[in-house]
Amino acid sequence: QLHLQESGPRLVKPSETLSLTCAVSGDSVNTRTYYWGWIRQPPGRGLEWIATIFYSGSTYYNPSLKSRVTISVDTSKNQFSLNLTSVTAADTAVFYCARQDVVGAHFDYWGQGILVTVSS
Amino acid sequence: EIVLTQSPATLSLSPGERATLSCRASQSVSFYLAWYQQKPGQAPRLLIYDASSRATGIPARFSGSGSGTDFTLTISSLDPEDFAVYYCQLRSKRPLWAFGQGTKVEIK
Repeated sequence: QLHLQESGPRLVKPSETLSLTCAVSGDSVNTRTYYWGWIRQPPGRGLEWIATIFYSGSTYYNPSLKSRVTISVDTSKNQFSLNLTSVTAADTAVFYCARQDVVGAHFDYWGQGILVTVSS
Repeated sequence: EIVLTQSPATLSLSPGERATLSCRASQSVSFYLAWYQQKPGQAPRLLIYDASSRATGIPARFSGSGSGTDFTLTISSLDPEDFAVYYCQLRSKRPLWAFGQGTKVEIK
């Protein structure tokens, strides 16, 4: 049974870097069959794709966030991570990690999400 | 950049009624279009992928159709558990991914 679990600080100060990790169990991130991605959802609003990574290290970023985002994968720990720099209150959101099908590119399994609040 | 526009923003229906949700892309996305259901406090759940394929465990009352720029999610007969927010999602050729702004299906 595939399980994705987000972890990281739930409170980040403005101008600092938000760092999250997604631990994967029940599947390997070192696979050609899936991408691994991050999505966020501000309170009361819709979903926004942030970034995606392939086991090979190929990365894809939302153009609106690209200058502040880095996604990475650690195959030895079977996890992938997100860094978002220079955060503001507008970055307050529930952050989800998810598995993405390589062919159809839909998000088929999601973590439960982690609420990260940006506040001093 | 491809933009997805969902309509209507809110759909007010009664249990047993048919729901028809629309998703329009600003450019053709072939058939790389998915639909998700999200209930309050929960992660989204994949319903439909590749425009018309139901995900594992999704009831037959959910169906998807369309290609190119116009897509539809149909719920043939609303069950009380179907009142939720629905999102469409695309993958472009670059590849990049994007979500529509959502349609809320509420009880009339």
